[in-house]
Amino acid sequence: NAGVTQTPKFRILKIGQSMTLQCAQDMNHNYMYWYRQDPGMGLKLIYYSVGAGITDKGEVPNGYNVSRSTTEDFPLRLELAAPSQTSVYFCASSPLAEVGDTQYFGPGTRLTVL
Amino acid sequence: DQQVKQNSPSLSVQEGRISILNCDYTNSMFDYFLWYKKYPAEGPTFLISISSIKDKNEDGRFTVFLNKSAKHLSLHIVPSQPGDSAVYFCAAMGAGSARQLTFGSGTQLTVLP
Repeated sequence: NAGVTQTPKFRILKIGQSMTLQCAQDMNHNYMYWYRQDPGMGLKLIYYSVGAGITDKGEVPNGYNVSRSTTEDFPLRLELAAPSQTSVYFCASSPLAEVGDTQYFGPGTRLTVL
Repeated sequence: DQQVKQNSPSLSVQEGRISILNCDYTNSMFDYFLWYKKYPAEGPTFLISISSIKDKNEDGRFTVFLNKSAKHLSLHIVPSQPGDSAVYFCAAMGAGSARQLTFGSGTQLTVLP
């Protein structure tokens, strides 16, 4: 059971480039989330999904897109990278079978936009 | 507008003593509160949680206290160990269908041997 996996671990992008951050979970969780963490700050929700084919915006969605074609995968797309998107990105999943079910996090992707 | 606040960026404690980490929130609709622990270059890992209908939850060395009237919660670690050195995030769970988490900015705990 690998849990939540994220690739790549590190990436440097030039302004205007595009990339997809991959996230996969093998726990059969319906709920998946993307967060970003800026230095000295807490995690902020970018997008989330309550199941395959269903996604919704979080607190900071601008500049990002997501898709959820399967239960396992929840990729995050950056179309035109900007320096403000330099951050550490965390993917998480949750079963939400009970009201207090926690979220399980991946190890993160550190992205630098120059 | 920070709905979850951790006002102490850092805390140092001697090994064996108690560590107390604090968290304040503003949104009365939060109904579940969680603490996550984060080591460098890793994702946050769940530590302990508390429902808004309780005022205390204990799990081994970790106890979380909730004061709803003050909109305040705290995490107590007794006794503190060097392996507890990490960033601790307080998070609050909303009532929405996806139970989104709102995080505080974290407190770096250092336990000195």
